Amino acid sequence: DAKTTQPTSMDCAEGRAANLPCNHSTISGNEYVYWYRQIHSQGPQYIIHGLKNNETNEMASLIITEDRKSSTLILPHATLRDTAVYYCIVVMEYGNKLVFGAGTILRVKS
Amino acid sequence: GAVVSQHPSWVICKSGTSVKIECRSLDFQATTMFWYRQFPKQSLMLMATSNEGSKATYEQGVEKDKFLINHASLTLSTLTVTSAHPEDSSFYICSARRTDFNQPQHFGDGTRLSIL
Repeated sequence: DAKTTQPTSMDCAEGRAANLPCNHSTISGNEYVYWYRQIHSQGPQYIIHGLKNNETNEMASLIITEDRKSSTLILPHATLRDTAVYYCIVVMEYGNKLVFGAGTILRVKS
Repeated sequence: GAVVSQHPSWVICKSGTSVKIECRSLDFQATTMFWYRQFPKQSLMLMATSNEGSKATYEQGVEKDKFLINHASLTLSTLTVTSAHPEDSSFYICSARRTDFNQPQHFGDGTRLSIL
């Protein structure tokens, strides 16, 4: 599975949009981009995933570049409860394993 | 939505004890479940893939005789840490995936294991 690169940490003001980038320049055509987050001392929470098209659900939006080499997770109105480690993971379409990198520590501040 | 339940949420026991952790998918069937371990300030590391009705597949460096995995039904997988020692103290997390392809894995809330 392709490796991903994410910034170590980011800060965001409460109520503003949080934009979390992820580079996956070696992604192959049948690999999906998944986003999870982990709030302290809890299991990871699924956020969203996509292949080529932009995706939106009740939690977030996922913007994937046309060449699929990078993506951005957008939390439209960040709250203090969105403070967590966010993981961008690339995985084969029918693959099972999720390989977690270091992720991005997002701190939402009031 | 999909829910994965893990039990117990925390356990403290003496060195040499065996500890069993349960992982249940509550509203879907999961032919495959996964076990992860997370040390403080580190990311999750996959330990093994648990397949219903067959032997688990362990990642390199994970001792299969130390970490026994049983996946006896489509909704339950167990991880037994045998003869636990202080270095086995960690946060153990399971995940389950619906049998439909391209469905995300959902995670339990983890089990914090402390060996004295």
